[in-house]
Amino acid sequence: DTEVTQTPKHLVMGMTNKKSLKCEQHMGHRAMYWYKQKAKKPPELMFVYSYEKLSINESVPSRFSPECPNSSLLNLHLHALQPEDSALYLCASSQEGTGNYGYTFGSGTRLTVV
Amino acid sequence: EDQVTQSPEALRLQEGESSSLNCSYTVSGLRGLFWYRQDPGKGPEFLFTLYSAGEEKEKERLKATLTKKESFLHITAPKPEDSATYLCAVLGSSNTGKLIFGQGTTLQVKP
Repeated sequence: DTEVTQTPKHLVMGMTNKKSLKCEQHMGHRAMYWYKQKAKKPPELMFVYSYEKLSINESVPSRFSPECPNSSLLNLHLHALQPEDSALYLCASSQEGTGNYGYTFGSGTRLTVV
Repeated sequence: EDQVTQSPEALRLQEGESSSLNCSYTVSGLRGLFWYRQDPGKGPEFLFTLYSAGEEKEKERLKATLTKKESFLHITAPKPEDSATYLCAVLGSSNTGKLIFGQGTTLQVKP
């Protein structure tokens, strides 16, 4: 299995809703990442988990809350989002936390905040 | 500060018309340069990793090369299905685990 699976593929939520994005990989990778991508822009790093511990938080607002329950699973909990948070949210994984061997990306969750 | 600049921003080719995409980078201690292909609304798809100047890698119609300052993605006899955005990213020694992306080149290949 050489995939990173993200669910849901599409999500529409109101500004008062609480929702979660899910990411799963079964490649034995020990680092997992959340990226945010706006239209016609490159991905921007949000969080890095290395060996199930949060190692990088790119000053992301607290309305985004990551969670790594185990080495195969990564969640992003969303609460009180703003319309400008609408974007494609990408999960990625790599063999280990340095990223030396490259990342494998998932297909993303298209999030719309109304 | 690590930086990646891709050119051109957009490229339109006729089917079969070969060309190259450029990725210029400034990084302290290059640990890897990565090329990805991204289709609209999808996640980036890994193409190549290059680690040291002089290295070359090929896959079907694509060939990636690396110098100390830039990388090229050569597309030979492209087909319409090669239309996508091509992203270049670098991993430097000062940003462990953090890929620095360029803005991408959007390629359109017309039949």
